[in-house]
Amino acid sequence: DAMVIQNPRYQVTQFGKPVTLSCSQTLNHNVMYWYQQKSSQAPKLLFHYYDKDFNNEADTPDNFQSRRPNTSFCFLDIRSPGLGDAAMYLCATSRGRNRGLYEQYFGPGTRLTVT
Amino acid sequence: SQKIEQNSEALNIQEGKTATLTCNYTNYSPAYLQWYRQDPGRGPVFLLLIRENEKEKRKERLKVTFDTTLKQSLFHITASQPADSATYLCALVGRSNFGNEKLTFGTGTRLTIIP
Repeated sequence: DAMVIQNPRYQVTQFGKPVTLSCSQTLNHNVMYWYQQKSSQAPKLLFHYYDKDFNNEADTPDNFQSRRPNTSFCFLDIRSPGLGDAAMYLCATSRGRNRGLYEQYFGPGTRLTVT
Repeated sequence: SQKIEQNSEALNIQEGKTATLTCNYTNYSPAYLQWYRQDPGRGPVFLLLIRENEKEKRKERLKVTFDTTLKQSLFHITASQPADSATYLCALVGRSNFGNEKLTFGTGTRLTIIP
């Protein structure tokens, strides 16, 4: 089945220690997104790629970076995780750039714990 | 500022009854509105999309209405089942700081169907 896969499902890192979360998709979608979701809160968009075109949200901290080496894979790098970065990180894809028109397909998420 | 409000309280509904969830918004003129289901510890799953010129959309036991005058969407689940228990998120296309369309989620309503 075509899907969005996130690894690992659970990640524990130490305060200040860089961490990378990965996402892959078999849907061949042009657009890939990274969201941060804290407990009982709405998913918050961090950035997205339209093909190789990177789009950062204005309020995304510099601590968060992303790479998309090819259509299938996208990575979220947190350079110096703080306690406030503990959250569920969700990767999503969509067929096109019109975010209202196209539904988003989400992965299962990576739960990040910072100790 | 732009705001999306969903039933802040959890909603408990008896099995077999119709569950109605509310999504109100302010300072948006969304062209599209989407509804997603999210189970604990999982990514959201797309359910329905409705456009601003559509009053109502149906899919099996699900019905969504969109009233741009009231700035409200209602999400109905008829003949509810315990398997419908989840958090339901509405999402609207607004404007990001760069002027691109951005899908913004509400915080969701936790629905429990009681057998």
